[in-house]
Amino acid sequence: DAGITQSPRHKVTETGTPVTLRCHQTENHRYMYWYRQDPGHGLRLIHYSYGVKDTDKGEVSDGYSVSRSKTEDFLLTLESATSSQTSVYFCATLERGGSYEQYFGPGTRLTVT
Amino acid sequence: AQSVTQLDSHVSVSEGTPVLLRCNYSSSYSPSLFWYVQHPNKGLQLLLKYTSAATLVKGINGFEAEFKKSETSFHLTKPSAHMSDAAEYFCVVSDRVDFGNEKLTFGTGTRLTIIP
Repeated sequence: DAGITQSPRHKVTETGTPVTLRCHQTENHRYMYWYRQDPGHGLRLIHYSYGVKDTDKGEVSDGYSVSRSKTEDFLLTLESATSSQTSVYFCATLERGGSYEQYFGPGTRLTVT
Repeated sequence: AQSVTQLDSHVSVSEGTPVLLRCNYSSSYSPSLFWYVQHPNKGLQLLLKYTSAATLVKGINGFEAEFKKSETSFHLTKPSAHMSDAAEYFCVVSDRVDFGNEKLTFGTGTRLTIIP
């Protein structure tokens, strides 16, 4: 398994509060991704990073921001959480060249009440 | 633009019988295709991938898939189902148009149930 950890693994928060999810990798992979998983939608890309301080939006980026100050860490922030952001969030990494395989973390279950 | 359609949201088979999970894709370029598996309350694990080499791809746990360009399909099969195969399966496409800008498009998933 690629060394990808996510923290926290579970979180319950109230509407309007800020939330930050952390993804940490030990593989020195250049590319990192944040997805959300919702029933009937599969996984949808929120934001991704193609290097330190280099990020871009995915298909469901509204209400989310990201930061990557180090290769190993990719943070996802919900500035003001809403109930529609209740979901399971997955981080993934990709090593440039070769397999094009993304490696996934264990996920964070976020509930916004 | 790329897209992927998993034709069945739920498949049930008896233990020891063949498994077929169907996936059709749409891609403007030569795609890479993947099947991922997710067991309950777990992350996603790569089963197999097609990246323009052999069209019949063998993966882990006895699964395989065949890339058929003329049918734009990438169906997942296994000759004999095992109870441990019960999980959610995702078909995934990547256009790889912009190298390094690796964005995957996921299907909505097929839940596989194994009947004892």
